[in-house]
Amino acid sequence: KAGVTQTPRYLIKTRGQQVTLSCSPISGHRSVSWYQQTPGQGLQFLFEYFSETQRNKGNFPGRFSGRQFSNSRSEMNVSTLELGDSALYLCASSPSGESDTQYFGPGTRLTVL
Amino acid sequence: AQKVTQAQTEISVVEKEDVTLDCVYETRDTTYYLFWYKQPPSGELVFLIRRNSFDEQNEISGRYSWNFQKSTSSFNFTITASQVVDSAVYFCALSEVNSGGSNYKLTFGKGTLLTVNP
Repeated sequence: KAGVTQTPRYLIKTRGQQVTLSCSPISGHRSVSWYQQTPGQGLQFLFEYFSETQRNKGNFPGRFSGRQFSNSRSEMNVSTLELGDSALYLCASSPSGESDTQYFGPGTRLTVL
Repeated sequence: AQKVTQAQTEISVVEKEDVTLDCVYETRDTTYYLFWYKQPPSGELVFLIRRNSFDEQNEISGRYSWNFQKSTSSFNFTITASQVVDSAVYFCALSEVNSGGSNYKLTFGKGTLLTVNP
């Protein structure tokens, strides 16, 4: 099976812009989670989607949002970008999210100038 | 709140040495899962091993082994006969059970950078 794919791999934006990141889960996986990784804060949970519904959410401002499509693909959107949003954004998928191992994609490296 | 501590920030060894990565966790859940992931320079987190809170049996899988002790809340990971390709950042993670009883969120430690020198 193909692994989790994320596009784009690299992105450069300026403050105030918005950005959309995409994640395609492993075939058959219905749960998609997003994580932010920065040198200072490490890996932090953003949110989880299952069956097109946000099932769980981390402690991030409302500028961070996401959605999931009927084919389980997920997008994450960040509006009004700030310098501190520069990070590696990792997507993970699992069959149902419950007691499952999460498998990660290669990430999207976002740089905000 | 859950917490994972990896006290070792960096470890450097010579190829063929054994190396143990330490992980200590805090949780109030009675059911939880512990994981080890590896992150090579490419950035992708690679799943290595998983253990649930009810199974303290320690196992060996190839060159990997782990020592899970609930009494000390530790989940240590050992690489035997290390190789240069093992060089990466290793993360210990703990899953959190939400109100619905499902494990959905991973809480990660800060990671340990392992460098294996030839």
